[in-house]
Amino acid sequence: AQSVTQLDSQVPVFEEAPVELRCNYSSSVSVYLFWYVQYPNQGLQLLLKYLSGSTLVKGINGFEAEFNKSQTSFHLRKPSVHISDTAEYFCAVRFSGGYNKLIFGAGTRLAVHP
Amino acid sequence: GAVVSQHPSWVICKSGTSVKIECRSLDFQATTMFWYRQFPKQSLMLMATSNEGSKATYEQGVEKDKFLINHASLTLSTLTVTSAHPEDSSFYICSASGVPSSGSLNEQYFGPGTRLTVT
Repeated sequence: AQSVTQLDSQVPVFEEAPVELRCNYSSSVSVYLFWYVQYPNQGLQLLLKYLSGSTLVKGINGFEAEFNKSQTSFHLRKPSVHISDTAEYFCAVRFSGGYNKLIFGAGTRLAVHP
Repeated sequence: GAVVSQHPSWVICKSGTSVKIECRSLDFQATTMFWYRQFPKQSLMLMATSNEGSKATYEQGVEKDKFLINHASLTLSTLTVTSAHPEDSSFYICSASGVPSSGSLNEQYFGPGTRLTVT
């Protein structure tokens, strides 16, 4: 079965500290991977995506993620977070042949404290 | 480019009435639109996929007679919640994919969402 797992429902971190939000997927076919951010009462904003090529992907707001095929992971990282990074983060996967459907993880609430 | 709007941004309706939510792609032709539902502190759940000019494809467990989806043009899709009940209260988000002036083919671009409260 195809699925997406975000291992942490909440991640508290102090301002200027590094952070990693974890995402794993299960699939027998090729995948395309995305990270989105959602601020309260707003839609989703694309942070970054992996479609092909280099496994290290850089996105907006200083975020990056690395696709690890052997570990079926796509963890999101930022070396130094800001208060403004406090939001909900969703990992999403599009499975090859899946007619452009996105499967979302449960989300990780990143809370940055001063 | 690749902007998707939703209207209204929030709506309150009485139980038993119907409410329509619009999703528009402002600067590109959306060959496919998706409708999601998000309960508080939960993830997005895909409700249905619609292609312009075709009937929508509903996900398992989604009542197609209750959630009517119309995708009559390449820039507009509507979701009508018929005979709404309090349990239909949720955040409804649409997304669109097509060929925007910027961005990539088949990427989904999300609207800002519509908060529905049924009293």
